[in-house]
Amino acid sequence: AQTVTQSQPEMSVQEAETVTLSCTYDTSESDYYLFWYKQPPSRQMILVIRQEAYKQQNATENRFSVNFQKAAKSFSLKISDSQLGDAAMYFCAYRSMNYGGSQGNLIFGKGTKLSVKP
Amino acid sequence: DGGITQSPKYLFRKEGQNVTLSCEQNLNHDAMYWYRQDPGQGLRLIYYSQIVNDFQKGDIAEGYSVSREKKESFPLTVTSAQKNPTAFYLCASSMGASYNEQFFGPGTRLTVL
Repeated sequence: AQTVTQSQPEMSVQEAETVTLSCTYDTSESDYYLFWYKQPPSRQMILVIRQEAYKQQNATENRFSVNFQKAAKSFSLKISDSQLGDAAMYFCAYRSMNYGGSQGNLIFGKGTKLSVKP
Repeated sequence: DGGITQSPKYLFRKEGQNVTLSCEQNLNHDAMYWYRQDPGQGLRLIYYSQIVNDFQKGDIAEGYSVSREKKESFPLTVTSAQKNPTAFYLCASSMGASYNEQFFGPGTRLTVL
């Protein structure tokens, strides 16, 4: 079974600076998706960025980018020019590309709480 | 606006009572999901449905039941058999099981008194 580990329960960053959140996962599959979700105090889950495992290029969405290291099974999220609105829980998630049964469901890490200091 | 609605936002229940959480979507999505979130935990899958009139147990289905009679609706019943039901419950949907993005509702906070 696949697992997702976020080793940093809490992180803090100064406004306008850069922070990196870590995520590792365990799988025997070669094709899969990886995601970062943001959950602000409103508790609404928002998709931040996704990465397909077959793509070597790291995904980027404005100030958010990932460092995907497939061999190391690592998927970190970098937030540049941090803003107060970035303060939230961030969840890393894994999804198999096999859609049979429960294999296509999301598997979440336990989250990292990010604080942004003004 | 298209989206997912969950009601109520807050729900209080006495021990021994069943309670039903509502989830409705107007995104025309085939697949719907229920997750449970506890403090310090990620989201854990309770039930999912890939098509109308069909649903499967997730990782923590004991003490819960669901129905999927309509494409847009996927209610979750928390039964008295659920030993620790106090939690935050999130509903999600996706175009289909093969689509990788899930969209989430705003959640329901259930508290057992």
